Amino acid sequence: QVRLKQSGPGLVKPSQTLSLTCTVSGGSVSSTGYYWSWIRQLPGKGLEWIGYIYYLGATYYNPSLKSRVTISLDTSRDQFSLRLTSVTAADTAVYYCAESRGGYLFDNWGQGTLVIVSS
Amino acid sequence: QSALTQPPSAAGSPGQSVTISCTGTSSDVGRFNYVSWYQQHPGKAPKLMIYEVNRRPSGVPDRFSGSKSGNTASLTVSGLQAEDEADYYCNSYAGSNNFVFGTGTKVTVL
Repeated sequence: QVRLKQSGPGLVKPSQTLSLTCTVSGGSVSSTGYYWSWIRQLPGKGLEWIGYIYYLGATYYNPSLKSRVTISLDTSRDQFSLRLTSVTAADTAVYYCAESRGGYLFDNWGQGTLVIVSS
Repeated sequence: QSALTQPPSAAGSPGQSVTISCTGTSSDVGRFNYVSWYQQHPGKAPKLMIYEVNRRPSGVPDRFSGSKSGNTASLTVSGLQAEDEADYYCNSYAGSNNFVFGTGTKVTVL
């Protein structure tokens, strides 16, 4: 059973960069055909897909966030990471990492990280 | 890309059925058979319940079923149980490596 464990700060100052990491255990970020996603949930609201990275390294982002988002892969550590630049209070959310077999579903999720943007 | 439209709430008594709709457009739900559904209990991560419109992952009870007609997908929960009380979100592939989620539906077991 693949498990995803998230890490990273829960408080980020406005205009700074949000950085989160997802560590995969029981599997590998190099597994053929897998995509590794970041998804967020604004307070009391629904889910928003941020983007994903293919196991070979290609990245795809939500057009509404594309200019501020970078998702990267560290195959040596079986990790993938999210960077979101120039954050504002509107980026306050619970951030989830997720595994996607084949790219069209999110079948395994991390525990979630509440990130608050505040000075 | 606008969120898919779901009713804010749905309810049913134990043993009854409840159906949740998820309305998109001809660019997402209507175009692709890549609709998935997620169950989320308070304070927990979402859990995949249905993928590719009507396929169930291993371990998901067959009380959960999905369907699609035109631009609207649906999730039906039959034989409602107390543990089915949760928020449910649909998701659709929207082309060009982009995804859109639904607005979410709170299911209450009366």
